[in-house]
Amino acid sequence: DTGVSQDPRHKITKRGQNVTFRCDPISEHNRLYWYRQTLGQGPEFLTYFQNEAQLEKSRLLSDRFSAERPKGSFSTLEIQRTEQGDSAMYLCACQPLNTEAFFGQGTRLTVV
Amino acid sequence: GESVGLHLPTLSVQEGDNSIINCAYSNSASDYFIWYKQESGKGPQFIIDIRSNMDKRQGQRVTVLLNKTVKHLSLQIAATQPGDSAVYFCAERGTGFQKLVFGTGTRLLVSP
Repeated sequence: DTGVSQDPRHKITKRGQNVTFRCDPISEHNRLYWYRQTLGQGPEFLTYFQNEAQLEKSRLLSDRFSAERPKGSFSTLEIQRTEQGDSAMYLCACQPLNTEAFFGQGTRLTVV
Repeated sequence: GESVGLHLPTLSVQEGDNSIINCAYSNSASDYFIWYKQESGKGPQFIIDIRSNMDKRQGQRVTVLLNKTVKHLSLQIAATQPGDSAVYFCAERGTGFQKLVFGTGTRLLVSP
């Protein structure tokens, strides 16, 4: 257990619906990352927060995706008007400076 | 662009054998490399890391070797056990906001 919690663990939604995922990081870690992982591939970077500031976003993060980290604690990732191509595992990670990243168990999204 | 890749998509070994998983990276500026283990339905789990100023690092039953000349990274697992069966990813840490760049993974299958 890395101490990084993600909720829900699984989400099945119909195409066109909105979904929101939550990540509760290790409290003393101020660097938080979201990654997306499709079957058979390694995780791909989506976005990065330092405290409450979103400092970097990948080109993978289309306009339908939005992430927030109010108060620099938990973070949410919302996908609007979901598409089948959004089906993936969404991973949250905390990373203290100059050490490895600690990943949560992920949220598995299936868009039907 | 930067990329991290693996030579073997699947590696099958017998219990007790030593396993070697290889990885090539392309960003010569990377200064930190990590091996992660990922079991089905779970987030990546840290195994071992190595900084670019080192050639070798040992952990419990695992050794990581870094060859900067040919930009090659390997993970050696001694006395492989069935519990080692998983997908293994190497990752390099980028500069700036330190996001991780992952390869596509190698599946390790350990037979009793």
